[in-house]
Amino acid sequence: AQKITQTQPGMFVQEKEAVTLDCTYDTSDPSYGLFWYKQPSSGEMIFLIYQGSYDQQNATEGRYSLNFQKARKSANLVISASQLGDSAMYFCAMRGLNTGGFKTIFGAGTRLFVKA
Amino acid sequence: DGGITQSPKYLFRKEGQNVTLSCEQNLNHDAMYWYRQDPGQGLRLIYYSQIVNDFQKGDIAEGYSVSREKKESFPLTVTSAQKNPTAFYLCASRGAQNTEAFFGQGTRLTVV
Repeated sequence: AQKITQTQPGMFVQEKEAVTLDCTYDTSDPSYGLFWYKQPSSGEMIFLIYQGSYDQQNATEGRYSLNFQKARKSANLVISASQLGDSAMYFCAMRGLNTGGFKTIFGAGTRLFVKA
Repeated sequence: DGGITQSPKYLFRKEGQNVTLSCEQNLNHDAMYWYRQDPGQGLRLIYYSQIVNDFQKGDIAEGYSVSREKKESFPLTVTSAQKNPTAFYLCASRGAQNTEAFFGQGTRLTVV
């Protein structure tokens, strides 16, 4: 069975500081993809970053980077130079790529508060 | 512009009524999904469709039904059998397996 765990219900960070949002996962698929999404108060889901299980390097997208530790089954999101607009819910998600790659599961989310 | 559109944004349902939530995409994606989100919670998968005329139950399909008669459209019906339908519903579509899903703006359903 697949499972995503986000253990931080809420996080605070000072503006311009970096913050790490934790995500651990469990899957029996040998090949899988890991995703992070941002959900502001408007409700839309905004894709941030993707990491494939066989990718050699950690993914980066602008201020977002993914600290992927395959042996520990963790895929933490690092946001550098936090901005007030980063305040939102953040979801970690996973999709097994060998089993048809159709079912994506989500963690419970972490609410990030950026302080001025 | 390419994207995925959900309507309506807000929907009110009386007890015992069926309601249908619309989801349309013009991204030429084969896979489409419906998720339910309760306040402060993550997303739970209701149904997904890999291709036209085919769909599979997700983790919480009871009380819901879907159809996939066209590639572009994946409507969700919340039936009277769904005992607690008040929630935020998100539709998504996806291209290749290793790519992200694109989400609609969501429909907030309230039972009155």
